Amino acid sequence: QKEVEQNSGPLSVPEGAIASLNCTYSDRGSQSFFWYRQYSGKSPELIMSIYSNGDKEDGRFTAQLNKASQYVSLLIRDSQPSDSATYLCAVNRPGGYQKVTFGTGTKLQVIP
Amino acid sequence: GAVVSQHPSRVICKSGTSVKIECRSLDFQATTMFWYRQFPKKSLMLMATSNEGSKATYEQGVEKDKFLINHASLTLSTLTVTSAHPEDSSFYICSAGAGGNSYNSPLHFGNGTRLTVT
Repeated sequence: QKEVEQNSGPLSVPEGAIASLNCTYSDRGSQSFFWYRQYSGKSPELIMSIYSNGDKEDGRFTAQLNKASQYVSLLIRDSQPSDSATYLCAVNRPGGYQKVTFGTGTKLQVIP
Repeated sequence: GAVVSQHPSRVICKSGTSVKIECRSLDFQATTMFWYRQFPKKSLMLMATSNEGSKATYEQGVEKDKFLINHASLTLSTLTVTSAHPEDSSFYICSAGAGGNSYNSPLHFGNGTRLTVT
């Protein structure tokens, strides 16, 4: 089992719709969870971080964490074509402070 | 927000030469920085953890003699790819956390260096 798993996609949604991105992780000791957005040829950009169970909202983005299910998700409301990118889920390594493991990313395509 | 600067953004070199990549934290001090590489359509793979004033910690399978890391100050880490070969061609990205070494301090990334070895 991979440490951090994501569906590679592509996930296609129409403009204005809600995009739902999912991620599962294997290590129950993980405490920090991050979503990064990466445009082609560019480095990752932090979108959201979440540390406790439940929802965390920031503008059009909502991160959801369920530690019992080892599941973290990112919802993007009112999706825009500019949201088209690869979304990387990152999970910290227990005991490794800022060391994180990245998933392979989900490619999102927002269709105008 | 926290800014990490990486230079150069793109480099093309001949096989057998060495290439140095610099990573700077511009508005915060970073005792720890991380070096990643990313192959096309693949995720980021951690190569090594750069520790200010001490030796870097390399991930399993990463050749420390080939990828030399120096972290001489709280704002600068360098990665030198020695005797580069075409298979070293990749996207190298550095990162650092602005909140010290806390586990809940998210990483901020440099813009990456596209290395092409001919």
